[in-house]
Amino acid sequence: DAGVIQSPRHEVTEMGQEVTLRCKPISGHDYLFWYRQTMMRGLELLIYFNNNVPIDDSGMPEDRFSAKMPNASFSTLKIQPSEPRDSAVYFCASSPNTGSTQPQHFGDGTRLSIL
Amino acid sequence: SQQGEEDPQALSIQEGENATMNCSYKTSINNLQWYRQNSGRGLVHLILIRSNEREKHSGRLRVTLDTSKKSSSLLITASRAADTASYFCATVLSGNTPLVFGKGTRLSVIA
Repeated sequence: DAGVIQSPRHEVTEMGQEVTLRCKPISGHDYLFWYRQTMMRGLELLIYFNNNVPIDDSGMPEDRFSAKMPNASFSTLKIQPSEPRDSAVYFCASSPNTGSTQPQHFGDGTRLSIL
Repeated sequence: SQQGEEDPQALSIQEGENATMNCSYKTSINNLQWYRQNSGRGLVHLILIRSNEREKHSGRLRVTLDTSKKSSSLLITASRAADTASYFCATVLSGNTPLVFGKGTRLSVIA
């Protein structure tokens, strides 16, 4: 299997611009997770989906962040407008379940820099 | 707040030595998992230990779990330079809830 695929790997943009991060989960995995990783806060869960439906978005920092999963093979995380404090590495992960009995599989992340 | 806290935050050892990392958590768990993250890459699952297990092995990895102390340890024996990475513990609370990750231990293995 190809694993979880994220794009782009790196994104540099100016403050105020819209940013869209993309994720293709592993086929057959019912759960998809979006995380943000920073030195200060570590790995934070932003939102997760089960069968394309958002289950918990309590980790989304504010209304500038939104996530969609239009089908089982694609998800996006959008930031509009972007701010310098959004600079971080964003990971997508997928799993057959939440992690209660099966591990999560991570993509290699998108390194986002907002100038 | 973090459920799992790894200790130490950073560890530097010589190749061939053993590396031990610890994880403490706050509430009852369903299982505990360890992940590795190489620089610039995503997390990779290493091992899962259930709450009713006390020890588990996988190659050069040994994980222990002490639910009475709410702690786990990851031992890497005969370390190699390729083991240089950050190591995270992650816990699953009771029920079908998502993983909660600690902040990790940065391991440097010097050749």
